[in-house]
Formats: sequence, C-alpha cells, structure tokens
Amino acid sequence: AQKITQTQPGMFVQEKEAVTLDCTYDTSDQSYGLFWYKQPSSGEMIFLIYQGSYDEQNATEGRYSLNFQKARKSANLVISASQLGDSAMYFCAMSDNYGGSQGNLIFGKGTKLSVKP
Amino acid sequence: EAGVAQSPRYKIIEKRQSVAFWCNPISGHATLYWYQQILGQGPKLLIQFQNNGVVDDSQLPKDRFSAERLKGVDSTLKIQPAKLEDSAVYLCASSLAGLMLAKNIQYFGAGTRLSVL
Repeated sequence: AQKITQTQPGMFVQEKEAVTLDCTYDTSDQSYGLFWYKQPSSGEMIFLIYQGSYDEQNATEGRYSLNFQKARKSANLVISASQLGDSAMYFCAMSDNYGGSQGNLIFGKGTKLSVKP
Repeated sequence: EAGVAQSPRYKIIEKRQSVAFWCNPISGHATLYWYQQILGQGPKLLIQFQNNGVVDDSQLPKDRFSAERLKGVDSTLKIQPAKLEDSAVYLCASSLAGLMLAKNIQYFGAGTRLSVL
C-alpha cells in the first residue's frame, strides 16, 4: 500500500531564510505523482508544486522547489526566502496512476511551519 | 476563475442528528472528491465522482454516509446519523482529470468544519 511519511511535526524558520520540509514515500508503482499542498489556518488546501515519477528534473514554482530523490523515495519541499505568510501546515501527497483518471491522493500527517520575524 | 465553493463553513450538531454539506466544483472539472480531515491528520478520501458516476467509494462508511452528484456538477455529502468521531473538516476538491492528462491537480475548497456534540 502507498504511504507518505512526514517526520517533522513542526518547524521554525527565520524570515527570509530557506527551509526544507521532509517527505518520504512508499509505493510499488512505477508511475506516480508527488504533490505539496499548503493549508493556512483558514482551512483551504492550496496546491504548491507537482513532481511526476518520470520527470528527470526537479520541479520548481517560484519560491518553491521539490528535491526529488527517486532512489531514496524522498520528495522534500524547499521554500526559499521565507515570508510571514508562509506560516501554515504543509502536506505532502502522492497519487497513483501518474495522475490518471483516478489519481486519488494519499496525504502525510503534515508539518506545521512557523516563520519568525 | 471561481474556485471550489463549499457550504456551510461551520456546523455544530448533536450525535444521532443528520447533516448535509454542499460543494460546487470549478467550472468544467469532471472529477469531484470528498475528503475527511480529522484534527492533526492529513485528508482521507471518502468518495470520488467522475461526472455523475462514482469511481471510488471504498472508504465511505456507507451505513451512515451518502453522497450524490446529480447532473455531474455540484455535490452533497450527508451523514445520518452522526457520531462523535465524525467531528472533522470535510473538504471538497475537483480536478479536470482526463485520461490523457499527465498530472491530476486537485483544487480544494475551504472545507466545512463539523463538530458533533
């Protein structure tokens, strides 16, 4: 069965510094997708970044980058130049079928990021 | 473009009462998902619709939960009768989810926070 593990319940980072949020996954599928979502206190899950299992380059979206190490089954999120508005819960998720017509997401337990001024 | 709309935002009921949640997905999104997020955990899929048909309801407690997506657009999720352990945030998400899409990004609503007393 697929599984996502986020080992950091909480993280602190100083404003303007970079931070890495850890995510490891377990799957026997060859085709899969990896996602990161942000959940502020308002409750909405906001899509941040996606990495496909066959993508050779690490995904980047603005200040977000995904450090994808397939052999180690890790998909860490790197946030550069942290801002106060980055304070939120961050969830790593995985989909099967490479995001095909099912593409159900399995989520980790999340990491609470707090940005200090 | 309007996002995923959910209502109500908050609901407090007593155990054994019934409750219904409503979701309107992003226009044109064929796939709709309902997730349950218990405090301190990541979201867990309850049911997935493709247009107005159910694709996956394997984790839906069918003795008390029901969901429908008439006309393939908006959807309702019902709990009857509610139990204390149903206290959670219920998130609705939608995606384009075509068979030929390489990635299936799910966009979430703000959720309904249910408290069962």
